[in-house]
Amino acid sequence: GAVVSQHPSWVICKSGTSVKIECRSLDFQATTMFWYRQFPKQSLMLMATSNEGSKATYEQGVEKDKFLINHASLTLSTLTVTSAHPEDSSFYICSVLAGGGRNTQYFGPGTRLTVL
Amino acid sequence: AQSVTQPDIHITVSEGASLELRCNYSYGATPYLFWYVQSPGQGLQLLLKYFSGDTLVQGIKGFEAEFKRSQSSFNLRKPSVHWSDAAEYFCAVAFNNNDMRFGAGTRLTVKP
Repeated sequence: GAVVSQHPSWVICKSGTSVKIECRSLDFQATTMFWYRQFPKQSLMLMATSNEGSKATYEQGVEKDKFLINHASLTLSTLTVTSAHPEDSSFYICSVLAGGGRNTQYFGPGTRLTVL
Repeated sequence: AQSVTQPDIHITVSEGASLELRCNYSYGATPYLFWYVQSPGQGLQLLLKYFSGDTLVQGIKGFEAEFKRSQSSFNLRKPSVHWSDAAEYFCAVAFNNNDMRFGAGTRLTVKP
């Protein structure tokens, strides 16, 4: 499967600051990537679909101005949490879609965000 | 509505015992079906997947899953559980490339 990395693996920031999380597809050119968030002891919730070279598609209830997604290349998508607040503290996980008939998502290791 | 259900929130088994984790889906057609495993603080690792063909699918780490169309189920099994299998297991269904739904997860505890 595809190898996906995320950076940073964890970050602590003050309320009101912005945080950027990178998702890289290391061995696969990913036209489509996904961003999820996961609260403790809960399942993954899809936030948005990131398509290379175009605007991201956000799920209902996800503020696109708060969670900025940029997918400028086939190997990198970034999620920026703007003006972070404590309620944004969560585990953020990205995935890449392995197409070409495989129709499978491969996940990064996740980023733990804590907003003080 | 499209949905995926994992009825068991938490399962405890003894090391060496067999394991079955349940997954049911609700959809008009057969979706793509997946099982992922997540260790604490980690991302998700793909165990196995079903798209079509043989309804018994073999995965990594000795896991297998069986698709039963009549029951809309895709249960995960392992004949002998190891302590390292303790983790959170997620069943997922994909109705197209851009719509993957996850079950709530089943936490597996392995007793020595």
